[in-house]
Amino acid sequence: AQSVSQHNHHVILSEAASLELGCNYSYGGTVNLFWYVQYPGQHLQLLLKYFSGDPLVKGIKGFEAEFIKSKFSFNLRKPSVQWSDTAEYFCAVTQTGANNLFFGTGTRLTVIP
Amino acid sequence: NAGVMQNPRHLVRRRGQEARLRCSPMKGHSHVYWYRQLPEEGLKFMVYLQKENIIDESGMPKERFSAEFPKEGPSILRIQQVVRGDSAAYFCASSPQRQGADTQYFGPGTRLTVL
Repeated sequence: AQSVSQHNHHVILSEAASLELGCNYSYGGTVNLFWYVQYPGQHLQLLLKYFSGDPLVKGIKGFEAEFIKSKFSFNLRKPSVQWSDTAEYFCAVTQTGANNLFFGTGTRLTVIP
Repeated sequence: NAGVMQNPRHLVRRRGQEARLRCSPMKGHSHVYWYRQLPEEGLKFMVYLQKENIIDESGMPKERFSAEFPKEGPSILRIQQVVRGDSAAYFCASSPQRQGADTQYFGPGTRLTVL
């Protein structure tokens, strides 16, 4: 069955710490990959996306993600988090040509000042 | 350019009533998607529509749920005879092209509470 796994449910970091959030998917074929962020009380916003090309993708607010096809992974990273990064982060996958996104269950990030 | 608009933001219904959720896509977007987020879960796809057409409703429950995207006006997600298990956040997204070639932009969601 198709699935997207985010193994970290809740991550707590101090400001300036480095961040890596895991995302694994189980689809065959060509995929498009996304990370969305949901700040408290706000709607989902796109952080970054991968369709093709360089597997290291840079997004907004200093975030980046690396697509490793052999590991079916698309982990999100940020070298130094800020208090304002406190939010819920969702990984999403779609197969090329498909109509919908498959989402992981999300990772809640709390950054302590 | 206004983003995806959803209303109401919060909706409270009693069991057996009807819930109508509205979504206005971004200007220039003709593709609309509805997702449901149950507590402690990720978003789950429900339905994909273009103007006046349902393209994919593979994620819609077979009964009580329906969706439309008329030629004029917003997309509507309709839930008849709501039950407590329908309590969730319902998100709408839109894109200018089919998802396979583009990115979906999400609205703020409607939080439905069924008493």
